[in-house]
Amino acid sequence: DSGVTQTPKHLITATGQRVTLRCSPRSGDLSVYWYQQSLDQGLQFLIQYYNGEERAKGNILERFSAQQFPDLHSELNLSSLELGDSALYFCASSVTGYGDTEAFFGQGTRLTVV
Amino acid sequence: AQSVTQLGSHVSVSEGALVLLRCNYSSSVPPYLFWYVQYPNQGLQLLLKYTSAATLVKGINGFEAEFKKSETSFHLTKPSAHMSDAAEYFCAVSPNSGGYQKVTFGIGTKLQVIP
Repeated sequence: DSGVTQTPKHLITATGQRVTLRCSPRSGDLSVYWYQQSLDQGLQFLIQYYNGEERAKGNILERFSAQQFPDLHSELNLSSLELGDSALYFCASSVTGYGDTEAFFGQGTRLTVV
Repeated sequence: AQSVTQLGSHVSVSEGALVLLRCNYSSSVPPYLFWYVQYPNQGLQLLLKYTSAATLVKGINGFEAEFKKSETSFHLTKPSAHMSDAAEYFCAVSPNSGGYQKVTFGIGTKLQVIP
């Protein structure tokens, strides 16, 4: 158990809909990352937050947004969903968020868009 | 810019044989390098990391990796494969330039261990 909790574990929704994925980081970790894992693209970095502020941005679509709340949990919002958004979404957390820091991953949310 | 290339999306070894998973990186500044493992239906777990100290890095579960700057490589090895090593392995790189940095992952290598 990494200590990172993601909910829900599975989500099935229709195209055009909006969903929210939730992540609770390990106790004491201030940085949260979101990744998308798909068969054809591999593990893609989406966005990173540190203590409530955005710190790094990757290949995140404009239809996607995220935030980190004062209690350090984070949410990833995916809207106007398309079939291609079906993937495993991982949240990870680390103490500092610096490049040499180990990230601890949750078990992921499997999103299926039908 | 940074990137990671993992040679071989699938590798099969016999139980007891040497495990060698290849990773080459590209980075405009000195890199931090990582190997993560993903077991089925689980998140990624850190095996080991290189942060510019010793070039031979020992990790968990008997794995180690050697940083070779001249070859821009960070291959993962284990002398003797166990059935429990069957998983997907990811090499990752981030720039050693301080502060908040994006980590780039390779496409992953699935390791199959044959009894």
